Order: sequence, then C-alpha cells, then structure tokens
Amino acid sequence: DVKVTQSSRYLVKRTGEKVFLECVQDMDHENMFWYRQDPGLGLRLIYFSYDVKMKEKGDIPEGYSVSREKKERFSLILESASTNQTSMYLCASSDRQDSYEQYFGPGTRLTVT
Amino acid sequence: GIQVEQSPPDLILQEGANSTLRCNFSDSVNNLQWFHQNPWGQLINLFYIPSGTKQNGRLSATTVATERYSLLYISSSQTTDSGVYFCAVALFGGTASKLTFGTGTRLQVTL
Repeated sequence: DVKVTQSSRYLVKRTGEKVFLECVQDMDHENMFWYRQDPGLGLRLIYFSYDVKMKEKGDIPEGYSVSREKKERFSLILESASTNQTSMYLCASSDRQDSYEQYFGPGTRLTVT
Repeated sequence: GIQVEQSPPDLILQEGANSTLRCNFSDSVNNLQWFHQNPWGQLINLFYIPSGTKQNGRLSATTVATERYSLLYISSSQTTDSGVYFCAVALFGGTASKLTFGTGTRLQVTL
C-alpha cells in the first residue's frame, strides 16, 4: 500500500512566521503535489514536483515555495505566513508505474493567527 | 482549463438506499479518479477509472470518456458512507498527473 504521511495534523502559527509543512511518501513515486482545500473553493494545486530538485507552479503558487531534496520528501514553505493562508493542506504522490493515480496524505489543518 | 462539474451538490439518504453521483468534464481526459473525503479530511481513493466500469463491494463506477462523464454508484448505503465525494480528472495531452477537482457531492446517510 502507498503511504503518504504529513508532519502535523494540526498547526497554529502567527502572522509573519516561516512555516514548513513536510510530506513523505514510501513508494518511490516520481511525482509529489501540494494542494490546499478551502470551503467553497475546493482543492487547488499549489506546486508539484516531477523529480528531485524539479518543481512546477500549480494554480495558486503565490506566497508559497517548495523544496524537494530527496525523492521521498516534499516540503511546502510559507515564507511569511498570513491569515489568508489558513487552510487545509493536502500532499499527494503519483507515479507512471501506478498509471499516475494520486494518493493523498491525511492533511494538515493550518491556522494562522 | 478543464471544467469538472459534480451533481448533486448535496444528498441525504436513509441507510440502505442507493444513490448515483455524476461527474461531467469539459475535455478529453486520460486520468479520472473518485475519492471519498472522510470527516477527518483524509481523501480515500475509491476508483481510478479513465474509462470503463469497475466495482468494489457496494461501490461501482462507470466512465464514458467519449461523452465526458463518470458515474459513481453507492448501493445499500451505510452511515460510514457519509462525507464528501470528489471526482478529479487530468487533461489528455497535458501533464498526466495534474488533477483538476470537482467541487464535490456532500452525502449524509441517516439511520
């Protein structure tokens, strides 16, 4: 079974703090993704990575950056957290060996006060 | 970009009833997935079904790619089926693994 884990289920940060959200997958998948989910707006892609050190912007990259130094780990970085970044953050992975089916982690509910 | 529409937006069923959820998409796709989001926010994979029909227990799904829609059937619903069901697609010819999500169907199963 594919397993995708995220570093925290719940996180509370203050405005202006630098925030790191970590995601780890154990299936040697080439692709990893970060989404955010907001009521009424659904799931939106922030960034994805198709290989180590490779990244591509999704639909809403503003205010975020990412890092992928190892194949199994994909980090989402909020350089200076703002209240409008309060959201549910979901990480996913996929691979051509699995026909690009995406598998999701449990999510991190981030609150920025 | 591709548009994904799900219907109905909300559904309330009594336990034991059957239901059909629909997903329409605006362009050719090479990936279609159905997910169930449980009350804790976890997205559970139900089906990977870019075309054809699949069944898994009380759930089944059919995608008619040429007509750009997919259906998710839930039979003999249980309270544990409650949650939000999402359809997500990837556009043919684009990056195969970039999914666009519909806005979901919120299902509540009552006793």
